[in-house]
Amino acid sequence: EAQVTQNPRYLITVTGKKLTVTCSQNMNHEYMSWYRQDPGLGLRQIYYSMNVEVTDKGDVPEGYKVSRKEKRNFPLILESPSPNQTSLYFCASSVRQAGSGELFFGEGSRLTVL
Amino acid sequence: EDQVTQSPEALRLQEGESSSLNCSYTVSGLRGLFWYRQDPGKGPEFLFTLYSAGEEKEKERLKATLTKKESFLHITAPKPEDSATYLCAVQANTGGFKTIFGAGTRLFVKA
Repeated sequence: EAQVTQNPRYLITVTGKKLTVTCSQNMNHEYMSWYRQDPGLGLRQIYYSMNVEVTDKGDVPEGYKVSRKEKRNFPLILESPSPNQTSLYFCASSVRQAGSGELFFGEGSRLTVL
Repeated sequence: EDQVTQSPEALRLQEGESSSLNCSYTVSGLRGLFWYRQDPGKGPEFLFTLYSAGEEKEKERLKATLTKKESFLHITAPKPEDSATYLCAVQANTGGFKTIFGAGTRLFVKA
């Protein structure tokens, strides 16, 4: 089954404690991206990757890091989480490099930073 | 600045009562406009991509249209299972490959 898998689905952590949210897709997609979703603000793009070792900033990259060492994986790293990073996070992938085709989304990771 | 605005924020319909959702956009050059459906607790699910003004796409009770400044998602004779949040997004053909989403329209269809 074609899917995008995120882990963990739910996480409560404390300010400053480094964490990683993993994202893996089994569709051999070149394009992968991370978004955060907050009430009233919609989905905002954090980072995206056109292919292995190629990443670029979205609209809200501050406080986040990403890496793309393998085509299937695109982890999101919060080096020093702060309460304003409490949000619902989605990973997505697409078969087209430009991302102009269908985006497949994961189920989401709800993060709470205390 | 590239921007997407959706209206209304919420829409309540009776089953069978047709209506339209609006997505107004401002981009330097449009690569594509996308519609997604999102159910509570789930990731968005792709519905349509529109590339140029005048283009239309249909799927069951949904029809998406595109002009140079806005897109409409027409819902014909909706059913309660159409209740969801509908998201509009655009990708510009300049400034990289960022995808910009609107805040969404929450649709409630009552039986």
